Amino acid sequence: DVQVVESGGGLVQPGGSLRLSCAASGFTFSSYWMTWARQAPGKGLEWVANINQDGSEKYYVDSVKGRFTISRDNAKNSLYLQMNSLRAEDTAVYYCARGREFAYWGQGTLVTVSS
Amino acid sequence: DVVMTQSPLSLPVTLGQPASISCRSSQSLVSSDGNTYLNWFQQRPGQSPRRLIYRVSKRDSGVPDRFSGSGSGTDFTLKISRLEAEDVGVYYCMQATHWPPWTFGQGTKVEIK
Repeated sequence: DVQVVESGGGLVQPGGSLRLSCAASGFTFSSYWMTWARQAPGKGLEWVANINQDGSEKYYVDSVKGRFTISRDNAKNSLYLQMNSLRAEDTAVYYCARGREFAYWGQGTLVTVSS
Repeated sequence: DVVMTQSPLSLPVTLGQPASISCRSSQSLVSSDGNTYLNWFQQRPGQSPRRLIYRVSKRDSGVPDRFSGSGSGTDFTLKISRLEAEDVGVYYCMQATHWPPWTFGQGTKVEIK
């Protein structure tokens, strides 16, 4: 079965950093684009970043450009999101999803930015 | 950026009755490869999103056939033929034709009347 499992969320102060991870299984990870999306408390879904199969193409929503970096390790079947200069408005559940059409989602990991 | 607009935002439905959600895009979602990348997601209370429909009308594996998607160009619809209790939640449309960014609708909350 296809599975993606996020980890690494937590409470961080404004201006701080956090690194999210997503462990994939049940499919050939290196063959798929991968996606990070997020959902602020009580709000809708928002795409955050995408990366292609070999990591040569990366895209970000404007609000995180220059602060977040998406990366992957195909040998470890893992996706990452390095988040720097965090702001209160980055508080959300962060989801990892497979592909450019978001076919499979994980359970999410909560990031809270607060002093 | 493509703006996705859903209506209604709240939809109370009697169990066993049909439900219909509209999604409109600010530009045509027909891709240069001829496909239309319009997806529908279900998010039950307390759960992560689940894709139900991709490319307008293709049901994902395990999705009950009471769910159907239709539409073309800029106008799309998700229909539930007979609402069941497990269908309560928020439904989102999303376009994956003109990226970046990938964009979602605001969500439609389906509840039992």
